[in-house]
Amino acid sequence: SSELTQDPAVSVALGQTVRITCQGDSLTTYYASWYQQKPGQAPVLVIYGKNNRPTGIPDRFSGSSSGNTASLTITGAQAADEADYYCNSRDNSGDPYVFGPGTKVTVL
Amino acid sequence: QVQLVQSGAEVKTPGASVKVSCKASGYTFINFYIHWVRQAPGQGLEWMGIINPSTGSSTYSQRFQGRLTMTSDTSTSTVYMDLSSLKSEDTAVYYCARGPHHCSSGSCTSYFDYWGQGTLVPVS
Repeated sequence: SSELTQDPAVSVALGQTVRITCQGDSLTTYYASWYQQKPGQAPVLVIYGKNNRPTGIPDRFSGSSSGNTASLTITGAQAADEADYYCNSRDNSGDPYVFGPGTKVTVL
Repeated sequence: QVQLVQSGAEVKTPGASVKVSCKASGYTFINFYIHWVRQAPGQGLEWMGIINPSTGSSTYSQRFQGRLTMTSDTSTSTVYMDLSSLKSEDTAVYYCARGPHHCSSGSCTSYFDYWGQGTLVPVS
């Protein structure tokens, strides 16, 4: 079955830029979607498709993709952005959808 | 506004079954797939399966084959997730999520845009 990999944790200084990556074979065929999850809360969609933000998601969140790697970038990170971030993708092998293991973002 | 409201927490013993409901409102129920995703304590998100509420057709993760059943009731705009033969490892928060699916110029995009509040199922 296919897998998505993410760095377990990253830290960023307040107001600086952080990039979170997601790697997997399925990403050469499908776009990733990205979810923010804060403790005790349901996940929230932040990026989908090529680089689309749902209504209400700040424009400091952006997405990109190259080869087998999708990236979520937070430009000018805020304290409110401290959370776990998960990528997800369709897949043609194994299960039709797969999540990455998540990246914990700490804002210093 | 779009809402997915799930049923409340249920404590289960090993070997039992649990049925969690997810009631949709604020949009045309039959026009969007519904996914189920779970999260064990301190762990990541795990995709469980998808149901087409219009047809009732479903696809499950291989991990749950034989134990998982998803159904839909169009008269109440509600989908159900039934997991049987519960084990302690099934202790988790279970989420339903709406799953838009768009295709354009031969490229398709799927994602989960609205989520239920989650249902805690401790198995002990």
